Amino acid sequence: DGGITQSPKYLFRKEGQNVTLSCEQNLNHDAMYWYRQDPGQGLRLIYYSQIVNDFQKGDIAEGYSVSREKKESFPLTVTSAQKNPTAFYLCASSIEGQGFMNTEAFFGQGTRLTVV
Amino acid sequence: AQRVTQPEKLLSVFKGAPVELKCNYSYSGSPELFWYVQYSRQRLQLLLRHISRESIKGFTADLNKGETSFHLKKPFAQEEDSAMYYCALWYSGGSNYKLTFGKGTLLTVNP
Repeated sequence: DGGITQSPKYLFRKEGQNVTLSCEQNLNHDAMYWYRQDPGQGLRLIYYSQIVNDFQKGDIAEGYSVSREKKESFPLTVTSAQKNPTAFYLCASSIEGQGFMNTEAFFGQGTRLTVV
Repeated sequence: AQRVTQPEKLLSVFKGAPVELKCNYSYSGSPELFWYVQYSRQRLQLLLRHISRESIKGFTADLNKGETSFHLKKPFAQEEDSAMYYCALWYSGGSNYKLTFGKGTLLTVNP
């Protein structure tokens, strides 16, 4: 069953701790993205990766880090430096970022992170 | 700067009424625009893309470069259309390509 999977669905973190959100896809997509979704803010791009071992900052990268060691995986770490980490996080993938601008992005179910 | 603006946070209509969700963009290049929809408890998914010039679930959207708009329209709204709608823009930032979203419009179709 092809798709994009995020885990866990719900995550609780103590203030001051780092936490890593998982995103895996078996669609053979080159490009992967992380967005943050807040009420009234829409989706804001955190990081994106167009190819393995390469990634770029999005619009709100501060306090976050990513890695792209494998094509199918793009984990997001929310560090203690992120001042307001409580949010809903969405991962997405698409066939290829460059040269395929009319391509569809496929989204995961999301991870709701709560800092307690 | 590249931007997608959806001026209405909330839109409420009655079943059978026409609906128009507004989307304006700012981009100096040739835009690639999309509408995504998120139904309750479902993942965000593509509704339609301007390049296809298609009608999906009765919705259409026309790119107006003069007005830099990509409004989503449906002549007769149905209750199952109630959802969060996002307008999105693909754009090139040098050698990188990004997909940026508006803040979304929550559509409620009342019986």
